Amino acid sequence: DQQVKQNSPSLSVQEGRISILNCDYTNSMFDYFLWYKKYPAEGPTFLISISSIKDKNEDGRFTVFLNKSAKHLSLHIVPSQPGDSAVYFCAASLSGSARQLTFGSGTQLTVLP
Amino acid sequence: DVKVTQSSRYLVKRTGEKVFLECVQDMDHENMFWYRQDPGLGLRLIYFSYDVKMKEKGDIPEGYSVSREKKERFSLILESASTNQTSMYLCASSGSGRESGYTFGSGTRLTVV
Repeated sequence: DQQVKQNSPSLSVQEGRISILNCDYTNSMFDYFLWYKKYPAEGPTFLISISSIKDKNEDGRFTVFLNKSAKHLSLHIVPSQPGDSAVYFCAASLSGSARQLTFGSGTQLTVLP
Repeated sequence: DVKVTQSSRYLVKRTGEKVFLECVQDMDHENMFWYRQDPGLGLRLIYFSYDVKMKEKGDIPEGYSVSREKKERFSLILESASTNQTSMYLCASSGSGRESGYTFGSGTRLTVV
């Protein structure tokens, strides 16, 4: 049973528009969430994170929103650029754990020029 | 520049062979992980280690073992390779703080024929 779910395997967006990637989780003990980006033939790289004590965290073009009551988080990319085309994974860690992450299945984002 | 290095980018092995995947990190991280990435399934945790000579099973440990004799090195062993172990294997390491997340290697694409 997947505890972290990304229900959209793929997303296409026009360059300059907003990309919204979604992630749902089932374990209420998760209290720290991260987004990773992965290009083909490379390992995932850390993008942005959020603690459960916040509902928003922003870093440049990237913003992550957390809705704890809905057990839902989203990543917004504004404006989207062709170089953002990659697979995006959301991940979650348990309260008190500094170590183990549970990943979603990923969403392939394609930004069209 | 900090690094997680996986010894091979591509491997082709025969069914029944014993396969070693090596991972080395230069960040003095306590924690190391092995994941496999498959389409539609995301990243699944095989094994992880909190310290030298310590190992813990992840979500899908069957058919795998690990070795951590030195802090910087974490090896994944396929005791008798099977075709269903054809996958992308990703090694990662992390420090004690959650904010840093994981640093991943570039991955090893293993094909078992």
